[in-house]
Amino acid sequence: ILNVEQSPQSLHVQEGDSTNFTCSFPSSNFYALHWYRWETAKSPEALFVMTLNGDEKKKGRISATLNTKEGYSYLYIKGSQPEDSATYLCAFNPSNDYKLSFGAGTTVTVRA
Amino acid sequence: EAGVVQSPRYKIIEKKQPVAFWCNPISGHNTLYWYLQNLGQGPELLIRYENEEAVDDSQLPKDRFSAERLKGVDSTLKIQPAELGDSAVYLCASSGRTVAYNEQFFGPGTRLTVL
Repeated sequence: ILNVEQSPQSLHVQEGDSTNFTCSFPSSNFYALHWYRWETAKSPEALFVMTLNGDEKKKGRISATLNTKEGYSYLYIKGSQPEDSATYLCAFNPSNDYKLSFGAGTTVTVRA
Repeated sequence: EAGVVQSPRYKIIEKKQPVAFWCNPISGHNTLYWYLQNLGQGPELLIRYENEEAVDDSQLPKDRFSAERLKGVDSTLKIQPAELGDSAVYLCASSGRTVAYNEQFFGPGTRLTVL
């Protein structure tokens, strides 16, 4: 079982503020890092697949960066809105197979 | 395109009772996964199917858990008898041969409460 850690476990953000949180994973082998957004009562939704060191990906107000050498990925939310309230999961894939190791998630609550 | 469908969404049972969860993957996805998510933890793989074959069931507690995917499409996960510690969210996911980087597509999960 690979150690994938997400921090913080939860955070509260005022509407309009920006925030970011971290996913840490073992840096010895790397194939891909997945970010999912999981809103209450819905299915986890794939946000990004990060594959190369230095990758930066953006989807609307949400962006992610990747550092495979030091073993971390950041997820940023710019100008948070109430609809950004969700649990954000990262899943680490060290090799080209099906085994994903998930972090416990960061739960974001955006206050209006 | 319809996503992964799971039912029921919520289930409350008493300990020692049996329970079953159903999953319908995305059309054309040959790989199906069942995950268990305990409170405060990330999802953990229970079993993976390639078509109708269970190719990785190493994490499935076989004394009380069973799963099937008889025609290589829908799948059922069963617990008999349920224990208090089985209270969790059970997620189903699927992926296809043309999906890049082993991306998996998830259903909404079944939240099980064992009293």
